Amino acid sequence: KAGVTQTPRYLIKTRGQQVTLSCSPISGHRSVSWYQQTPGQGLQFLFEYFSETQRNKGNFPGRFSGRQFSNSRSEMNVSTLELGDSALYLCASSLAWTGSETQYFGPGTRLLVL
Amino acid sequence: QKEVEQNSGPLSVPEGAIASLNCTYSDRVSQSFFWYRQYSGKSPELIMSIYSNGDKEDGRFTAQLNKASQYVSLLIRDSQPSDSATYLCAVNPRRGSTLGRLYFGRGTQLTVWP
Repeated sequence: KAGVTQTPRYLIKTRGQQVTLSCSPISGHRSVSWYQQTPGQGLQFLFEYFSETQRNKGNFPGRFSGRQFSNSRSEMNVSTLELGDSALYLCASSLAWTGSETQYFGPGTRLLVL
Repeated sequence: QKEVEQNSGPLSVPEGAIASLNCTYSDRVSQSFFWYRQYSGKSPELIMSIYSNGDKEDGRFTAQLNKASQYVSLLIRDSQPSDSATYLCAVNPRRGSTLGRLYFGRGTQLTVWP
């Protein structure tokens, strides 16, 4: 089985721009979670989608949004980019995520905001 | 109070030694506990999951959970230089509103020297 894929792998943007990141979960997995990882804050939860519904959202401003499609692929969008948005963005997929299944992480998208 | 705290490290052990990584969590009703390993520049990969009090062994790795003390640990026996990485403790605090969310500790950086 192919693993979780994320595109693009690297991005350079300037302040004020917006960006869309994509995540394709493992085949059969219906839950996709997004995390932001920075040296200062570690791994922080952004949101989780299951069957096209956002079930949970972390403490991030409204500039961060996401969606999930019927094929379980997910995208996240960050509008009006700030320097502090520079981070590694990770998505993780699991079968259904009732709390105990393994979440498998993708390779991440490294975003640099200049 | 942070949800998940890990011994900050860095931790340095000689090859062949036992490395001990510790994690405490704040939510007493937490359900599921995970240890991830993250190599520099890579995404986290699951090493162990544990749900019940006691020890769980997988090869050179042993996870220990004590829910009364709100404590989970990871022991790595016969440490190898290839074990050098950051180890992340993750907790799913409870079902319901936080379904689909993992809380991560800041990680402990382990170096195994030959």
